[in-house]
Amino acid sequence: EDKVVQSPLSLVVHEGDTVTLNCSYEVTNFRSLLWYKQEKKAPTFLFMLTSSGIEKKSGRLSSILDKKELSSILNITATQTGDSAIYLCAGTETSGSRLTFGEGTQLTVNP
Amino acid sequence: DAMVIQNPRYQVTQFGKPVTLSCSQTLNHNVMYWYQQKSSQAPKLLFHYYDKDFNNEADTPDNFQSRRPNTSFCFLDIRSPGLGDAAMYLCATSSLGFGYSPLHFGNGTRLTVT
Repeated sequence: EDKVVQSPLSLVVHEGDTVTLNCSYEVTNFRSLLWYKQEKKAPTFLFMLTSSGIEKKSGRLSSILDKKELSSILNITATQTGDSAIYLCAGTETSGSRLTFGEGTQLTVNP
Repeated sequence: DAMVIQNPRYQVTQFGKPVTLSCSQTLNHNVMYWYQQKSSQAPKLLFHYYDKDFNNEADTPDNFQSRRPNTSFCFLDIRSPGLGDAAMYLCATSSLGFGYSPLHFGNGTRLTVT
């Protein structure tokens, strides 16, 4: 059975801090890893990572995949209170028939 | 803006009373998904449609059914809701299958069962 594990499960930081969220996966015939941000509504798409070692960036957020270590990290620099959310990662496999979510990391950014 | 729209945002139903949740999309995506998300848990896939092909997850209870009358609309029917079915129900779409294009989620319908 495919498995995605995120750590930490929750994190509290102050505005301006830099955070790193971790995601490890055990997905048979792995295809890609996706990161989502979920506030009090539906998840919004952040990144899709298919190739190892290539960093994807969007503003203060960046993410990279390490296929050797079966893991990914999501970095957020200069955090803001608006970054407070649950961050979900999910792994998919090559047949395109399954996407497995991790439990999420609850990030709280205090002013 | 092209988007995934779920109605209603909040739904209250009585124990055992059938309920239907709806999802529409203007993205013209081939694939539509229904997820169930309970508090502090990851979204759990119930089923998905690839065009008209219906794919049910093995552990989705028979109590949950789905219809996709056309590309734009997809419905989730819960035939006899139990208290354990109270959750957020998320509809999502993608142009291709998992892993080949990202999922775009609607805002969800929060179901309460009394």
